[in-house]
Amino acid sequence: GAGVSQSPRYKVAKRGQDVALRCDPISGHVSLFWYQQALGQGPEFLTYFQNEAQLDKSGLPSDRFFAERPEGSVSTLKIQRTQQEDSAVYLCASSGYRGNTDTQYFGPGTRLTVL
Amino acid sequence: GENVEQHPSTLSVQEGDSAVIKCTYSDSASNYFPWYKQELGKRPQLIIDIRSNVGEKKDQRIAVTLNKTAKHFSLHITETQPEDSAVYFCAAIPAGGTSYGKLTFGQGTILTVHP
Repeated sequence: GAGVSQSPRYKVAKRGQDVALRCDPISGHVSLFWYQQALGQGPEFLTYFQNEAQLDKSGLPSDRFFAERPEGSVSTLKIQRTQQEDSAVYLCASSGYRGNTDTQYFGPGTRLTVL
Repeated sequence: GENVEQHPSTLSVQEGDSAVIKCTYSDSASNYFPWYKQELGKRPQLIIDIRSNVGEKKDQRIAVTLNKTAKHFSLHITETQPEDSAVYFCAAIPAGGTSYGKLTFGQGTILTVHP
């Protein structure tokens, strides 16, 4: 079936603008993760959903970052009042079960550039 | 929390040679160690993983070894090919109900295979 998809693939925002990034996980996957990948670095955890419940948001860098998954499938990561340091690739990943060693399948990412 | 160190940061080999990438982790409770390959502008893709109840796993030209006592694990690629050129990331997941499977990544290794 289809893999994880994300949109938009590229987003350019002026400093201070709000942005919304979308993730469509693999159908039926319970777990959904958001990661932030700065240039030349490994991805870093932002937040985790199990179905519609946001169980861990310890990685969100500030209260300008907000994520939701209201129906337990599609998720949106919103960044308010964007800053230049928010420029990065935002990756979404999903896995099929609640177990913590299940394979995570990544989307292609959204490259956010804040001018 | 978990900390994963990866080295080398860059690795250049001739086609047909072997490549080895090493990672260390800090949380002795970690029990799952995946390796991801990321080509430029593409999504991270799982290439091999190992769980803490085994010491070695092999899949064709790729193998991973785990030393739980020393808290390190390594990726071995034999008979390298130019298409193996990419950034490779190791990762670890701590055990425990509150880890939720969130991955802690190493800093990445840029592998270049010269024809």
